[in-house]
Amino acid sequence: GAVVSQHPSWVICKSGTSVKIECRSLDFQATTMFWYRQFPKQSLMLMATSNEGSKATYEQGVEKDKFLINHASLTLSTLTVTSAHPEDSSFYICSARELTGGLFEQYFGPGTRLTVT
Amino acid sequence: SQKIEQNSEALNIQEGKTATLTCNYTNYSPAYLQWYRQDPGRGPVFLLLIRENEKEKRKERLKVTFDTTLKQSLFHITASQPADSATYLCALDDDNYGQNFVFGPGTRLSVLP
Repeated sequence: GAVVSQHPSWVICKSGTSVKIECRSLDFQATTMFWYRQFPKQSLMLMATSNEGSKATYEQGVEKDKFLINHASLTLSTLTVTSAHPEDSSFYICSARELTGGLFEQYFGPGTRLTVT
Repeated sequence: SQKIEQNSEALNIQEGKTATLTCNYTNYSPAYLQWYRQDPGRGPVFLLLIRENEKEKRKERLKVTFDTTLKQSLFHITASQPADSATYLCALDDDNYGQNFVFGPGTRLSVLP
């Protein structure tokens, strides 16, 4: 199956600073990537849909000025958490979908653990 | 309102037995449904996809069924092993062959030796 990578795998930052997370599709082109957040023992919550060459689409309740998404190429999307606060500490996961046989198969990155102190 | 439920938050079974996980949905009409495995601190890994017109799909020790009348999918792991211990998530597309996937809360499976 397709491979999606994320970098970094974990990051600790101080409150008020910004953190950038990269998501890459390694062996396929992804016109659309997705960013999720997952709190402990909870399921994935879609934050935004990242479209190559255009603005991201954010889910209700997700602040677009706080979570900046850039999808500069067909293999790279970045999520920047601006002015991070302790409540932003979470597990952030990106995914990309590959069209196979008329259906989308979704491949996830390994996730990035963000801790804001 | 729309809802996806997975039978239990946690399930313990004995090694060698068949694990059966349930995914029920309300007020969705998915064209297909997917199952994923997630290990702690890792992203989910795609396991199986089943279309609305398929009753059953198999892959090695895994079997998935999809009943659109009952609005339910069952996920079976036969001859379970401790290495199968993980959280299993079901996901469905919520706009008929669209790109929007919705995930269930997951079931944490523990296979005891």
